[in-house]
Amino acid sequence: DVQMTQSPSTLSASVGDRVTITCRASQNIVGWLAWYQQKPGKAPKVLIYKASTLETGVPSRFSGSGSGTEFTLTISSLQPDDFATYYCQQYYSFRTFGQGTKVEI
Amino acid sequence: QVQLHESGPGLVKPSETLSLFCAVSGDFIYDKYWSWIRQPPGKRLEWIGHIYSSGTTAYNPSLKSRVTISVDTSKNQFSLKVTSLTAADTAVYYCAREADEYFDHWGQGTLVTVSS
Repeated sequence: DVQMTQSPSTLSASVGDRVTITCRASQNIVGWLAWYQQKPGKAPKVLIYKASTLETGVPSRFSGSGSGTEFTLTISSLQPDDFATYYCQQYYSFRTFGQGTKVEI
Repeated sequence: QVQLHESGPGLVKPSETLSLFCAVSGDFIYDKYWSWIRQPPGKRLEWIGHIYSSGTTAYNPSLKSRVTISVDTSKNQFSLKVTSLTAADTAVYYCAREADEYFDHWGQGTLVTVSS
């Protein structure tokens, strides 16, 4: 299995802050990684795929980087709508998700 | 606009079999992969497995012995069966479309509780 570990688990931030979330894979997954945003009671929504490609319609304040085993999701200037839980997901071998990072005020 | 809609029982008894259906609209089920994903309360998302329109499947190794995914192209829907249910199978179950192996469209999710 490819295990995915995110840090931090919870992040306290304010509107306008630059926020960075890290995702580590237990083995090399090249660049086969996606990031999702999930709000309470809702399905996840894809933000980034192939580690750094922005999904159509997603604001440009979201960006992704990394390759191999370490990846980051950055929100350049946090907006009120961005308070949510973020998950990484690898698709190099089957599909597995990180445990999530809750971004709160 | 692609939409997916899960349907099935909200409550099932331990040791019984769960059957869920996912109706797809706004897209044809052909030539794509379609997945089931679940999320136990307060826990991470867990991929259950997927099916290609031809019927080819792949399953999470941790669930493979209890899971079957099927497709009905005539109804533009796919389905999930999970056998030998326990309380650990209590979760919100999502169906999703795969685009290049990540999930670009999701259903709204359906809560399944396993309890006597």
